Amino acid sequence: DGGITQSPKYLFRKEGQNVTLSCEQNLNHDAMYWYRQDPGQGLRLIYYSQIVNDFQKGDIAEGYSVSREKKESFPLTVTSAQKNPTAFYLCASTPYFSGANVLTFGAGSRLTVL
Amino acid sequence: GENVEQHPSTLSVQEGDSAVIKCTYSDSASNYFPWYKQELGKRPQLIIDIRSNVGEKKDQRIAVTLNKTAKHFSLHITETQPEDSAVYFCAASNGVTGGGNKLTFGTGTQLKVEL
Repeated sequence: DGGITQSPKYLFRKEGQNVTLSCEQNLNHDAMYWYRQDPGQGLRLIYYSQIVNDFQKGDIAEGYSVSREKKESFPLTVTSAQKNPTAFYLCASTPYFSGANVLTFGAGSRLTVL
Repeated sequence: GENVEQHPSTLSVQEGDSAVIKCTYSDSASNYFPWYKQELGKRPQLIIDIRSNVGEKKDQRIAVTLNKTAKHFSLHITETQPEDSAVYFCAASNGVTGGGNKLTFGTGTQLKVEL
């Protein structure tokens, strides 16, 4: 479905728990991104990875962690240090990081903290 | 870093009318300006983009204009249809000159096309 699969679609978490959101792509893209979407705030970049075994902080990285051990996978962990984790999370990829490329998005994961 | 402001936050038009969404950016090094459309419950998808060496780009009913001096760009949709109802996001980056695809997005415009 669009080359990027995010799971789970919906996730509920108790305060103090870490959760991991999965993002897998079969597009052979080098670069991958995680965005957070909140009503009225647009899409904000959490982390991005230009290539396997590399990642950099985006604009709102505090309370999040990522890994990029495989080209096709870029999981996001929302830690207990994230003060307001309830949001819609979107994973995306581009063929390369350099240049101006079109983002391909996954369908998103909605996280709710109870 | 880059800051992108987008207006209006909501826009309601009658079917067949035109819609205009405006964005301003702060970083003069930005040179790539895409627009994404997100229908309800769906993922964002690119509808049009423009690079800083071009002042205007058109694709059927959709056009984007760029004013580098004023640092603003706009999305124009003509002859609006109900299927144009969605949230539209503008974005900016300096990706054309090697800055990468680190896009800064605007806050979005909810467009509603009424019958």
